[in-house]
Amino acid sequence: DGGITQSPKYLFRKEGQNVTLSCEQNLNHDAMYWYRQDPGQGLRLIYYSQIVNDFQKGDIAEGYSVSREKKESFPLTVTSAQKNPTAFYLCASSTSGPQHFGDGTRLSIL
Amino acid sequence: AQTVTQSQPEMSVQEAETVTLSCTYDTSESDYYLFWYKQPPSRQMILVIRQEAYKQQNATENRFSVNFQKAAKSFSLKISDSQLGDAAMYFCAYRSNSNYQLIWGAGTKLIIKP
Repeated sequence: DGGITQSPKYLFRKEGQNVTLSCEQNLNHDAMYWYRQDPGQGLRLIYYSQIVNDFQKGDIAEGYSVSREKKESFPLTVTSAQKNPTAFYLCASSTSGPQHFGDGTRLSIL
Repeated sequence: AQTVTQSQPEMSVQEAETVTLSCTYDTSESDYYLFWYKQPPSRQMILVIRQEAYKQQNATENRFSVNFQKAAKSFSLKISDSQLGDAAMYFCAYRSNSNYQLIWGAGTKLIIKP
């Protein structure tokens, strides 16, 4: 079945450590997105990419980095510069229609 | 810049009753899309319904329907015959026709009373 796969489901980060969240889609969508969601809050856009090898910062890009080397993949790295990384991270993809979402990754600090 | 406002942080409804969630938006564009997404406690983000601005007819998906008032920039979601499984956060979102990014509302928490 076509869809978006995020892994891992749960991730723990130590102080000063970079961690990478995986997002893979087999929907043949051009655009991909990363969102952050804090408890009881809405979604905030971290980064998005509309085409391979190109991506743009969203509203809260500081402390995060991404790459888009393949159409199917859009990994997000949470760097040590992100001082408050504990949140729920959602990846999405789309063409001209609605965005489709993965099941999310919960990131916590050890 | 476009904005989306959901003025009801929380709503509650008796099971089997009807509830309406409100959403207003601001845009200077004439061609755009509007969406309602549902996020249950599992935190999956599920598309409920979508509306193209050029269509005058209100979208309907089973028990879910919208009241799209383009001039008033209003896009409310009506849930008929509410079920316990409808309990979730509901987010309204706007998308320009020229840009795939979504502009999100803050969400409304829907509680279903058995």
